[in-house]
Amino acid sequence: DAKTTQPPSMDCAEGRAANLPCNHSTISGNEYVYWYRQIHSQGPQYIIHGLKNNETNEMASLIITEDRKSSTLILPHATLRDTAVYYCIVKEEGAQKLVFGQGTRLTINP
Amino acid sequence: DVKVTQSSRYLVKRTGEKVFLECVQDMDHENMFWYRQDPGLGLRLIYFSYDVKMKEKGDIPEGYSVSREKKERFSLILESASTNQTSMYLCASGLGGIRPQYFGPGTRLLVL
Repeated sequence: DAKTTQPPSMDCAEGRAANLPCNHSTISGNEYVYWYRQIHSQGPQYIIHGLKNNETNEMASLIITEDRKSSTLILPHATLRDTAVYYCIVKEEGAQKLVFGQGTRLTINP
Repeated sequence: DVKVTQSSRYLVKRTGEKVFLECVQDMDHENMFWYRQDPGLGLRLIYFSYDVKMKEKGDIPEGYSVSREKKERFSLILESASTNQTSMYLCASGLGGIRPQYFGPGTRLLVL
């Protein structure tokens, strides 16, 4: 079972920042937070991951709360191509499989 | 960029046929994975491999086998396809540990 809770759907206007929340209140100390997205009929695409510090790359920023019980993925300037299902996953270093929940269906509106 | 390719995007097979799905990665990753994705069930791990000729069962290995003869290639075999194996099959590869897995485009298999 997925260890994360995400809203089923969100909308965002094109050009605005999209902030996708994720709750992982039972996360343990050695578990990392990963974000993937899946555009319709394609394979999941890795976005970013982190342990406790905020992370940023060319795609997005990841903000993890100090208690690590929740996080937010930020797409700073959303485009129509960012419309996808976004998955927040927690995984410990030694685990092999990724456990995907239902994710958040993000729709970017023109 | 990491590239994971899968042999087919769409495949139609008949019940009882032997089906081969191939996955190739070009990043020298040790670990490779096969998942299937079904509506309402998310992604489920079928098999994974952490080295050439090594394999481990995932959560739903029944009806499947795998082969890893070369580091870059991981094959999923449906010995005798059945209609309940109609699904989207996703291959992934990674270096293990905390490093991410990278997915291929998927193969949508229809078994008639």
